Amino acid sequence: GENVEQHPSTLSVQEGDSAVIKCTYSDSASNYFPWYKQELGKRPQLIIDIRSNVGEKKDQRIAVTLNKTAKHFSLHITETQPEDSAVYFCAALNTGFQKLVFGTGTRLLVSP
Amino acid sequence: DSGVTQTPKHLITATGQRVTLRCSPRSGDLSVYWYQQSLDQGLQFLIQYYNGEERAKGNILERFSAQQFPDLHSELNLSSLELGDSALYFCASSARAGTHTEAFFGQGTRLTVV
Repeated sequence: GENVEQHPSTLSVQEGDSAVIKCTYSDSASNYFPWYKQELGKRPQLIIDIRSNVGEKKDQRIAVTLNKTAKHFSLHITETQPEDSAVYFCAALNTGFQKLVFGTGTRLLVSP
Repeated sequence: DSGVTQTPKHLITATGQRVTLRCSPRSGDLSVYWYQQSLDQGLQFLIQYYNGEERAKGNILERFSAQQFPDLHSELNLSSLELGDSALYFCASSARAGTHTEAFFGQGTRLTVV
């Protein structure tokens, strides 16, 4: 079955710096890769996603890249702000099988 | 509001007891996932149902069981509860028939076993 590894587990940056979180997946049939942000005590919420027919997607300060050959995908946050502090989860899905598997999460701390 | 409803929001119970957590997916979503999140931990996949049938199983204990009903709501049953079962339990729904797969989470049920 699918296995998703996520690094780093914690990431501390200064406000205005960039943050990068990386994930690898094992199932080459996975074709949908969402990223979720979870603030303390709240539910995970989708912030951006990418499908396997696309190499990169941007939404304002957030971007996601996908390397299908290497089975890597990454979340990039530019000009970080304190409100970006949260736990970020990557996930992979084989849409044919419909099983969503999450990485272990990255705790991002943005210091003013 | 994600459209996914979980009840109850909070539950405190004693060791050895049995509880049922309920999840109503977004209208039209066929797939329901259950996840367990212990304090400061990641999302541990428990089980998934798709249109009433079990689709995938994760590290779900034998003391736990789930089902999805014809109206697509789902229940997670936890029995012989132990202190270590204290956690936030999330359900998520996705896959409206014929469309794609963004998963939406409910607010979670916080279970405290004392």
